[in-house]
Order: sequence, then C-alpha cells, then structure tokens
Amino acid sequence: GESVGLHLPTLSVQEGDNSIINCAYSNSASDYFIWYKQESGKGPQFIIDIRSNMDKRQGQRVTVLLNKTVKHLSLQIAATQPGDSAVYFCAESRSPPDSGYALNFGKGTSLLVTP
Amino acid sequence: DTGVSQNPRHKITKRGQNVTFRCDPISEHNRLYWYRQTLGQGPEFLTYFQNEAQLEKSRLLSDRFSAERPKGSFSTLEIQRTEQGDSAMYLCASSLRLEGELFFGSGTQLSVL
Repeated sequence: GESVGLHLPTLSVQEGDNSIINCAYSNSASDYFIWYKQESGKGPQFIIDIRSNMDKRQGQRVTVLLNKTVKHLSLQIAATQPGDSAVYFCAESRSPPDSGYALNFGKGTSLLVTP
Repeated sequence: DTGVSQNPRHKITKRGQNVTFRCDPISEHNRLYWYRQTLGQGPEFLTYFQNEAQLEKSRLLSDRFSAERPKGSFSTLEIQRTEQGDSAMYLCASSLRLEGELFFGSGTQLSVL
C-alpha cells in the first residue's frame, strides 16, 4: 500500500556539522509534504513544509528538498545544535490540510547531536 | 498558554473501562484533528473536524471510539471498553483554514492494564 518511510532510524552528528534526514514516499498523488520535530514527552512541532510544485524551500537553518522523480524528500539542518536532538518525522498529504486531507506520517528518524 | 491543550496528560485504566480525553485547540482554529501514536512510530490519523462537523474518520477508529466537537471549540475523544491495544499517546492538533501547518498538543498518554 501507500507508505511514507525513512531511510535511517537513527542519525548521530557532531555539534556544528550539517545534518541530512531522508524520507521516501510512494504515493504519486502526494502533493504536500511537511517535516515535524518531536522531543520526548511533547507533541510534534512544525519545522517546514513544501508543495509539489516546488523542489526546494529554505527556512531558518533548515532546507527541504523534494525530488518528485524518485519520490524522495530530505531535510537539511545547518550547523546542528544540541537542541536539535529529537525525532524527526516527514509526512505527506494529497493536498494541504486546509482541504481536510490528513497527514500521513512516516516512522521517524532519531537525531542525536554530540558535543 | 495559547497552544493546543490536552487533558489529562496521563491516564491509567483497567481493561474494559471507558476513558475520555479532552482537547482545547488554539482559539479560532476551525480545524481539529485526533491522532494516535505508539512508541517508535509516527502519529496515525484518527479523525478530523471542521468546526463542529466530523468530516473524516480513519478505518483505525473502531466503533468503540467516538469523538465530538459540540460547539466547534473543544473536542472530546471517548474510548469505550478499553483494550490493552489501545495503550498509546493520543494527540490533538488544530489548524486555521488555508494554513498548512498543524499545531499539536502534548498529548494524553493512555495505559490500559
């Protein structure tokens, strides 16, 4: 069936390095993608989103890249900080949630930032 | 605090009992979502409201689960005759129309013994 998945369950990086978290999706009808960060004991927190008519979007220290040809999404975090340690989820939807379609989340990648 | 609020934060119950959770969305957010999350997994969609209307329900939402949003503001999620498999974190999220971002609460952790 349709799925959203992540290449690596865990990622360890040194403080100050750049982090790249990857995500593959299989639903060709997906046209909206979003990254969330979840810290222990808290709900997911929005990081950045991108629509299928774009291939790159930048935020503060974060960049999302979308490759629709191979159905691949990545989150790049520049100058990773200890506060970035968390589980990161990618999610997809057939259209932005303002149309009511729910987000379909992947399993998550645990990012550990070491000093 | 103007974020999404969920109560209680933790709930321990015995199998077969009924439980009810409450979610207070961000004021004026007309869209409200319930998700369920088990350890090591991403959140799974359960149901969605636009104002007081429940517009979408997942196949995960068995007939033991019922959600309401009577006045289009807060919402409740009730689980009847709880089973051990119901143990999970129940997350609520809200959004404002035309915005893509969902704002999540901290969740209610349910443990069914």
